[in-house]
Amino acid sequence: DAGVTQSPTHLIKTRGQQVTLRCSPKSGHDTVSWYQQALGQGPQFIFQYYEEEERQRGNFPDRFSGHQFPNYSSELNVNALLLGDSALYLCASSTGTGGYGYTFGSGTRLTVV
Amino acid sequence: AQKVTQAQTEISVVEKEDVTLDCVYETRDTTYYLFWYKQPPSGELVFLIRRNSFDEQNEISGRYSWNFQKSTSSFNFTITASQVVDSAVYFCALSFSSNTGKLIFGQGTTLQVKP
Repeated sequence: DAGVTQSPTHLIKTRGQQVTLRCSPKSGHDTVSWYQQALGQGPQFIFQYYEEEERQRGNFPDRFSGHQFPNYSSELNVNALLLGDSALYLCASSTGTGGYGYTFGSGTRLTVV
Repeated sequence: AQKVTQAQTEISVVEKEDVTLDCVYETRDTTYYLFWYKQPPSGELVFLIRRNSFDEQNEISGRYSWNFQKSTSSFNFTITASQVVDSAVYFCALSFSSNTGKLIFGQGTTLQVKP
């Protein structure tokens, strides 16, 4: 049973560029959350998608946007990259109704130069 | 304010020692959930335990045990007879749902277990 899959694992982008990160949830899960983890910090909640809609959003600017597809997979898009966007981006999946806890992927390490 | 504080940034112990990781949380809600996650160097967050605010019963699972005290807003985690494989970053987190909504994480505690 595959867990949460994220791609790519590593990415280097230039300041001002745009990036798309992808996440496939664990089988049976329909809710996807995205987190940003700066080096040496705890993960910070970006937003959560359920039924292809953004259900909750953390304190992140509009440069951060997302999408959820009918198969429950999700994308995180970041526009106009800043050096401060360099971080590990983690995807977590869960069930929207009932269930127990969250399953995290191994993340995408984004470096902005 | 909703906040999780892990005051210990780094802990270093020798194998077979017991170690306790501290977690203090802040919330005015009466219903909430507390989690502990382990993050090995590979990056993924591995779920260890969840507790809801109505269940103060402490738990032991193998070498792991948890002490939840609402009176002091603490949810501490103890590893008994630590092993080198326990070396990782450990995060305490707070949520207002068991499986939806956001997790509020602490800063993490890096545990190094030396042979």
